[in-house]
Formats: sequence, structure tokens, C-alpha cells
Amino acid sequence: EIVLTQSPGTLSLSPGEIATLSCRASQSVSSSYLAWYQQKPGQAPRLLIYGASSRATGIPDRFSGSGSGTDFTLTISRLEPEDFAVYYCQQYGSSPWTFGQGTKVEIK
Amino acid sequence: EVQLVESGGGLVQPGRSLRLSCAASGFTFDDYAMHWVRQAPGKGLEWVSGISWNSGSIGYADSVKGRFTISRDNAKNSLYLQMNSLRAEDTALYYCAKATGYSSGWYNLWGRGTLVTVSS
Repeated sequence: EIVLTQSPGTLSLSPGEIATLSCRASQSVSSSYLAWYQQKPGQAPRLLIYGASSRATGIPDRFSGSGSGTDFTLTISRLEPEDFAVYYCQQYGSSPWTFGQGTKVEIK
Repeated sequence: EVQLVESGGGLVQPGRSLRLSCAASGFTFDDYAMHWVRQAPGKGLEWVSGISWNSGSIGYADSVKGRFTISRDNAKNSLYLQMNSLRAEDTALYYCAKATGYSSGWYNLWGRGTLVTVSS
């Protein structure tokens, strides 16, 4: 099983700042089969990034993903008020599919 | 409208069974793999099980293997999760999620979830 470790657990930032979220895999994620999701309280997760770096339909370009192998990053270039939420990475390259434990981006 | 609607959750005693359903609409259901993902109260996301478009490939998390069974009925555009021998640690919001491929892929559509509470 591929274990995904996200860091930091919580990120305290102000609107307009840059957020950098990390997702590290215990073994290489095949073909960069890694996705990022955003979840707000009381809502289902929303897809942001797939294939490590491809933005999903309708996702603003301030969200970007990068990385390969075992190290992946989600960057939010200029935090908007609606971006404060919990973010999860997920690998779908090998069963069992696994999620990271999440990074909460909170308002400082 | 493209959507997934889960049902079947509720309060159940430890050791008992429950069957969850997910009704899909607005897309060609039998073109895609479907998965169940759960979230315990205040916790993160946990993949539970997945099934390919034709039920030819099925997978389970170790935590539910041998107790849960995933299935689908393409004629009814429906996904199911039969949960037996339920434990307190199975208490969670259960989401149905649509993958982007026949057997795998990321999730581009989620339901709103159905809550399962296992307690005596």
C-alpha cells in the first residue's frame, strides 16, 4: 500500500499569500497518478488537480500542481477567502487507492 | 443533471448489516469505474472500495475486506455497498464517487454522502 504523508498539518496564512502544500509518497506513484481535492465543511470533496499537474475544469489558475515519483506539491499562488479549506492528495495508480491525511489551510 | 445520490445510511448496532445505494444520473454509468470513500466524523478521507465498469475488477481496503461487498447494476445506473459485521469504527459519512476511466482514474463527481452510525 502506498502511504501518502501531507505536510504541514495546518497552514496559517493571510489572503493574498502563497500556500505551498506537500504530499510525499512511501513509494513511487506510477505515471504521476496523483490528484488533489479541496473540501470545505459540510461539503463533498472537489477535484482540483489530476495527473499531478493538470487543472480540473473550472479550477482557477492560481491552483497549480507539480511533482513526480514520490514528491508532489500543490501551490495556491494568491489565497482568496474561499480557498481556506482542507486539501487532500490521493494516488490512483495502484490499489488500494489512498489519500493523505489532509492539510488545513486556515486564516491567520 | 449529472449527479450521484447516496442512500441507505442510518443507525445500526455492532455486528449488524446495512446496504448502501448510489443512484447515478446524467452520464453513461457503465462507462466508468465507481468507488466508495468514507469519512469518519472530524477525520480525513478513506478509500473503501472500487469496482470497474463491468464488475470485472474489484478492490477493497484492508479495513473492510471480508466484511463489505461492492456491486453495481448498470441497467439501473446504481452502485451498492453491502456492509456486514459492522463495527463502531465503520461510523462515517459514506461517499459514492465516479472515476474517470473504465477501471481507474481520479474522481470528478462525488455524491453528498450518507451517514452510517454503528452504535448500541
